[in-house]
Amino acid sequence: AQTVTQSQPEMSVQEAETVTLSCTYDTSESNYYLFWYKQPPSRQMILVIRQEAYKQQNATENRFSVNFQKAAKSFSLKISDSQLGDTAMYFCAFMGNNAGNMLTFGGGTRLMVKP
Amino acid sequence: NAGVTQTPKFRVLKTGQSMTLLCAQDMNHEYMYWYRQDPGMGLRLIHYSVGEGTTAKGEVPDGYNVSRLKKQNFLLGLESAAPSQTSVYFCASSYGGRSSQETQYFGPGTRLLVL
Repeated sequence: AQTVTQSQPEMSVQEAETVTLSCTYDTSESNYYLFWYKQPPSRQMILVIRQEAYKQQNATENRFSVNFQKAAKSFSLKISDSQLGDTAMYFCAFMGNNAGNMLTFGGGTRLMVKP
Repeated sequence: NAGVTQTPKFRVLKTGQSMTLLCAQDMNHEYMYWYRQDPGMGLRLIHYSVGEGTTAKGEVPDGYNVSRLKKQNFLLGLESAAPSQTSVYFCASSYGGRSSQETQYFGPGTRLLVL
C-alpha cells in the first residue's frame, strides 16, 4: 500500500515571502499522479496543483509550483509571494494505478501567512 | 453548475441511531467517493463507486454502507452510529479513467457528531 508523509505539521510565513511544503511518498509503481489540495477554514477541499509522474517538467500554477523528484519520491509545493488567503491546511495526495483512481492523503501541513 | 453538494451540513446523532448522508453531483462524473476526516488528519477513503450500481470498499469501510442507484447520487449510510464515527465526511467525484485531467472534486463536507 502506498503511504504519503508530510513531515511539517505547521508552518508560518510572512506575507509576500516564499514557503516550501514537503511531501514524500512510498510506492513501487512507475505511473502515478500527485496532487496538492488546499483546505481553508471553510473546510472546502480545493485542488492547487497536480503532477503526472511520467512528465519530467515540474507543474506550475501561477504562484504555486512543485519540485518533483521521482527517484527520491519527493513532491514539495512552493508558494511564492504568499498571501493572507493562502492560510489553510495543505494536503499532499497520491493516485496510483488502481481500479478506482483512489487517493491516498498525507496528514497535512497547517500554513499560517502572517501580515 | 452546483458541482458536488452534500446533505446535511451538520448532524448530531445518539449512539445506535441510523442516518444517511446524501451526495449529489451534476458534472456527469462516473466515479464517486466517500471520505472521512478526523481532527488533525488527512482524508481516508470509506467507500467508492466506479459507476451506477457498483460500489467497493476503501480503507476504512467498517460500520458504513453505500449505494449508487443513480449516476448522480452516492449515499452513505450508518446503520448504528458509534462515537468513533464522529468526523467530517467528504464526498468527491471524478470523470474516471486515466486521462491527464483526472481530478477529484470535493463537496463542502458534513460534520457528524455522535453522542
